Amino acid sequence: DQQVKQNSPSLSVQEGRISILNCDYTNSMFDYFLWYKKYPAEGPTFLISISSIKDKNEDGRFTVFLNKSAKHLSLHIVPSQPGDSAVYFCAVLGGSNYKLTFGKGTLLTVNP
Amino acid sequence: EAGVTQFPSHSVIEKGQTVTLRCDPISGHDNLYWYRRVMGKEIKFLLHFVKESKQDESGMPNNRFLAERTGGTYSTLKVQPAELEDSGVYFCASQDRANTDTQYFGPGTRLTVL
Repeated sequence: DQQVKQNSPSLSVQEGRISILNCDYTNSMFDYFLWYKKYPAEGPTFLISISSIKDKNEDGRFTVFLNKSAKHLSLHIVPSQPGDSAVYFCAVLGGSNYKLTFGKGTLLTVNP
Repeated sequence: EAGVTQFPSHSVIEKGQTVTLRCDPISGHDNLYWYRRVMGKEIKFLLHFVKESKQDESGMPNNRFLAERTGGTYSTLKVQPAELEDSGVYFCASQDRANTDTQYFGPGTRLTVL
């Protein structure tokens, strides 16, 4: 029973355009949401996060949006760069539980 | 500052053998986690140490898996005896006691059981 779903296994965009990665979750008790980026043969690297009390958090080219009523979050990358090509994992935390629950990931390819 | 390191990077063993994975967290991090990614699936939590104590081991698949963190520094994850379904990438992550939102991951150990 997947609690975090990333329904797009892959996404391809042109350099300079916007990349939008989506994530849905099932448990309304989750209160902290994160995006991790992973290159081949490396571990996931923290990218950006958002608390459930906010609906948007921005860090440079990366913006995360949270829609609690829809249990949906998204990561926007603009402008996309070839170096952004990686697998992006959505992850959630809930309450006093520190363990991360991940989605399956979306492979983003940014074409020059 | 050195990041999380894991050893070995790859391990290929036969079914029934024993393998021990090692994780060295970022110095001073009290929290240490083990996760596993089976091919094509999500990264799944295995267990969580706070210093040398197991805080949560609800994700451990079965009693063939044994994790230790003697002295609260590095951790080992032993699989004995290994089965085919144990194949995957095992990640370790560490987290500063005071910073509860960022877990720093190691590069992982790719385990292949033949």
